[in-house]
Amino acid sequence: GQSLEQPSEVTAVEGAIVQINCTYQTSGFYGLSWYQQHDGGAPTFLSYNALDGLEETGRFSSFLSRSDSYGYLLLQELQMKDSASYFCAVRGRGISSGSARQLTFGSGTQLTVLP
Amino acid sequence: ETGVTQTPRHLVMGMTNKKSLKCEQHLGHNAMYWYKQSAKKPLELMFVYSLEERVENNSVPSRFSPECPNSSHLFLHLHTLQPEDSALYLCASKYSTTNTGELFFGEGSRLTVL
Repeated sequence: GQSLEQPSEVTAVEGAIVQINCTYQTSGFYGLSWYQQHDGGAPTFLSYNALDGLEETGRFSSFLSRSDSYGYLLLQELQMKDSASYFCAVRGRGISSGSARQLTFGSGTQLTVLP
Repeated sequence: ETGVTQTPRHLVMGMTNKKSLKCEQHLGHNAMYWYKQSAKKPLELMFVYSLEERVENNSVPSRFSPECPNSSHLFLHLHTLQPEDSALYLCASKYSTTNTGELFFGEGSRLTVL
């Protein structure tokens, strides 16, 4: 089976840097994704790491260590609009015994950005 | 606008009702998914339809029945639901060959079962 752990809540102030950690257990690992979801909105894709290291996309960066089954999302220069839930998701064998590789999501981290 | 449209956005139904959720994607994708999102819980994959296969999560009760008439449309038929089925039901799509871990989600259908 697959499982992911991430903190349920994180609070930070505008302009700060915050790191959201994710540890995972999976059978068949192909990559780690991050999604953002505002209240009442659709989850939107932020980043994907298939190999170890840091991927940077503007103010957001994502890191993966496959040997540690660990990744994190780093948000810099926080803005009020960054207040949302952030989900890590593992791309693995999921619920299928076939070749399809599906996303299994964590429970999400609610980020609150204070003025 | 994500290119994935779900209707209705909100649905209230009794346990004896039959209703359907609809998802339509305008992105030319060929794989579609249903996820269930309950408060404080991980998104739960319910069903997958793609060129390669149809996948069902064996833990999903038979009172949920998917239908995928073509690559652009996906339905979730609901009958004799239970109050614990109240949740946000999310539809997602992608190209079946995409390997970037990116899904395109709709805004969901908020279901309340009385």
